[in-house]
Amino acid sequence: TAGITQAPTSQILAAGRSMTLRCTQDMRHNAMYWYRQDLGLGLRLIHYSNTAGTTGKGEVPDGYSVSRANTDDFPLTLASAVPSQTSVYFCASSVTRDTGELFFGEGSRLTVL
Amino acid sequence: QKEVEQDPGPLSVPEGAIVSLNCTYSNSAFQYFMWYRQYSRKGPELLMYTYSSGNKEDGRFTAQVDKSSKYISLFIRDSQPSDSATYLCAMRAYSGAGSYQLTFGKGTKLSVIP
Repeated sequence: TAGITQAPTSQILAAGRSMTLRCTQDMRHNAMYWYRQDLGLGLRLIHYSNTAGTTGKGEVPDGYSVSRANTDDFPLTLASAVPSQTSVYFCASSVTRDTGELFFGEGSRLTVL
Repeated sequence: QKEVEQDPGPLSVPEGAIVSLNCTYSNSAFQYFMWYRQYSRKGPELLMYTYSSGNKEDGRFTAQVDKSSKYISLFIRDSQPSDSATYLCAMRAYSGAGSYQLTFGKGTKLSVIP
């Protein structure tokens, strides 16, 4: 079972350019999440979706947008990348929003120059 | 004071040692406690979870929760080199209106030396 698939695995991006990180799950989970992980700061929630068609803001949403057109896909878009968005991005899912049992993807390592 | 405090380490132990990893928290509303393991350049994976105070055992791993002291621990017995990873504690609280807050510790990096 694939679980959570993220793409790309890594990317170098020029500041000011846009980028979409893709996330697909095959577990039919209702809830999905995007986190960024930075040294010394840990995992921080960017955006989440309780179910298809709904999204919400997490702890650090500025500069990012998401959409949830269907159950399986939850792309994260950086409209105009800045160097402070250099990070490792993890997509995760859970059966429902009210559980702490998250399943994570392998991560997308993004460098903004 | 941050809601969840976790010593980042690094922690280095010899193979076979008993490892103790700890987190403290300040939010009394946390009711659901988890430990995630993250190998280098991989995503976190859920290791153990518990709702209540006391101990929960799973093989070589024991999760301990003390709600009165706001302290949780993960013990690893007979540690193996394959246990070398970063361990993140996580806690969940109901934040009202059908929303839940999940807060992660920053992680403790563990190395088990053969």
